[in-house]
Amino acid sequence: GQQVMQIPQYQHVQEGEDFTTYCNSSTTLSNIQWYKQRPGGHPVFLIQLVKSGEVKKQKRLTFQFGEAKKNSSLHITATQTTDVGTYFCAVPSGGGADGLTFGKGTHLIIQP
Amino acid sequence: GAVVSQHPSRVICKSGTSVKIECRSLDFQATTMFWYRQFPKKSLMLMATSNEGSKATYEQGVEKDKFLINHASLTLSTLTVTSAHPEDSSFYICSARGRVRLAGSHSYEQYFGPGTRLTVT
Repeated sequence: GQQVMQIPQYQHVQEGEDFTTYCNSSTTLSNIQWYKQRPGGHPVFLIQLVKSGEVKKQKRLTFQFGEAKKNSSLHITATQTTDVGTYFCAVPSGGGADGLTFGKGTHLIIQP
Repeated sequence: GAVVSQHPSRVICKSGTSVKIECRSLDFQATTMFWYRQFPKKSLMLMATSNEGSKATYEQGVEKDKFLINHASLTLSTLTVTSAHPEDSSFYICSARGRVRLAGSHSYEQYFGPGTRLTVT
């Protein structure tokens, strides 16, 4: 099935610093989605990227989809304590279904 | 809109018993629902795809006789963990995909339930 590599696994930042997480696939993706999961919570959809080279912004969050549609990144500018959580990328698992294959996630830890 | 509920939120059961988890789409019709499991500090793993009125499609390595899925209506899917053992203890999360009307458009994204934490003793 489809696989996606996500790095880093953990990221410690000082409040106010920037944060980036990356996802890579060995195959071309039809789309990639990003989710945020707060500690003890469930994944919450952030965005879906579909087009080659696409860049989307949500306030302090910037999402990019690579030109080859094999990689993506999520960048947070000037992190705040409310950004704490695990950020997952997810790609279609293939096989004709719409299930998702999730990356391992990046745990964002913010030190005030 | 686009709310998915799960019941129960937590359950503790004894080894050998069966546990049923419900997943409901509250304000939209979900043609497809998905079941995931998540171990502590790990990622979500897709277990199966549940289509209304048809048999579920299981991912490789997931025992269909152990994890029974029923999708009897467009708003309800159930996952039954049969003869549960301690290694089945996990966080089970469902998601629902359906045509959701948003302001000025429609969305086909997946909406996740709050999860069910199963502990088998």
